[in-house]
Amino acid sequence: EADIYQTPRYLVIGTGKKITLECSQTMGHDKMYWYQQDPGMELHLIHYSYGVNSTEKGDLSSESTVSRIRTEHFPLTLESARPSHTSQYLCASGLEDRGLSGELFFGEGSRLTVL
Amino acid sequence: RKEVEQDPGPFNVPEGATVAFNCTYSNSASQSFFWYRQDCRKEPKLLMSVYSSGNEDGRFTAQLNRASQYISLLIRDSKLSDSATYLCVVNIGTGRRALTFGSGTRLQVQP
Repeated sequence: EADIYQTPRYLVIGTGKKITLECSQTMGHDKMYWYQQDPGMELHLIHYSYGVNSTEKGDLSSESTVSRIRTEHFPLTLESARPSHTSQYLCASGLEDRGLSGELFFGEGSRLTVL
Repeated sequence: RKEVEQDPGPFNVPEGATVAFNCTYSNSASQSFFWYRQDCRKEPKLLMSVYSSGNEDGRFTAQLNRASQYISLLIRDSKLSDSATYLCVVNIGTGRRALTFGSGTRLQVQP
């Protein structure tokens, strides 16, 4: 089993609230990612990090921000949640090996509903 | 055009059937290829890597055709537990990019 954890698993919150989705992994992986996925739809990369103090935006434009102060921790923050942010957010991690590895380990996801 | 394209399905097949999924990718510089499996409302998990010479893992066989830029997954003797969405995944391998996921093909194996 992968040692990557996301909290909260489910969050229902009102418009305008600030939220932080937590992601932690104990595998010592350098690479960490945030994907967004709507039900029955494809995964979209919104943020990634190749190591501490390294963060990049992904393919899908997102109003969220991320930080990577510690290797094991990659939180995602929405300063002001809106109904359009309602989705499932999946965190993943993998080993850095010149980009050839395919195994990403995913957390169970955080399902966000903004009312 | 999407970087990775898959037939969304669903593929509805009886138990014991053989089913094949195809996936095409647009970037000829892509270096590595994978199939992931995602159960309903669960996270994706690596099913198998796809090697140039083709590879097999039990009832699952993966093939790569670089000239035509497509990948295939063959499942023999389908089980009810094979019901899931199968994601084709490509690593372009240049620059600081993550894996690119296809939108997935849904398989429903029926008794």
